[in-house]
Amino acid sequence: GAGVSQSPSNKVTEKGKDVELRCDPISGHTALYWYRQRLGQGLEFLIYFQGNSAPDKSGLPSDRFSAERTGESVSTLTIQRTQQEDSAVYLCASRKGQNDGEQYFGPGTRLTVT
Amino acid sequence: SQQGEEDPQALSIQEGENATMNCSYKTSINNLQWYRQNSGRGLVHLILIRSNEREKHSGRLRVTLDTSKKSSSLLITASRAADTASYFCATETGANNLFFGTGTRLTVIP
Repeated sequence: GAGVSQSPSNKVTEKGKDVELRCDPISGHTALYWYRQRLGQGLEFLIYFQGNSAPDKSGLPSDRFSAERTGESVSTLTIQRTQQEDSAVYLCASRKGQNDGEQYFGPGTRLTVT
Repeated sequence: SQQGEEDPQALSIQEGENATMNCSYKTSINNLQWYRQNSGRGLVHLILIRSNEREKHSGRLRVTLDTSKKSSSLLITASRAADTASYFCATETGANNLFFGTGTRLTVIP
């Protein structure tokens, strides 16, 4: 079946504008994660959704970042009033269940804030 | 921070040689996973080793875990040019989050 998809693949925006990134997880996967990866760095955890439970937002770097997920479907990550330091690749991953080790990653959205 | 740290940061070897990457972490874990990343985009899961396991194999990959030292190693045998990529370890605790290390950049020279 289809893997995790993300859109857009690339986004260039001006400083101060809002952006919305989309993630379509694998069908039936209850867990969904967002990560940020700056150039040459590891992955920073941002937020985790598990089914209909309250999301774990502990990794969101500021209140300019928010994410939503409706049920076990699409998720959107919104960055308001973007700053140049927000430039990074934003990766989404889904997992079948709460304790089912492997995460399946999407190709990421490369965000460039000018 | 629970983030793992890989060592070395970069590794360059000749095709056919073995490549060994190490990962150290700080807290108790449920499992440790290794991922591969090509060209700075999506990651691909390679292997998962649980905290009660000491060694695991998958094809040309061999992973060891030493929970007393809070460390893991990934061995790629008989490397190929196609193995060139960044390799990340990730630790999972009871919170169901994965905490990634900073990665090892492997270059296999044909």
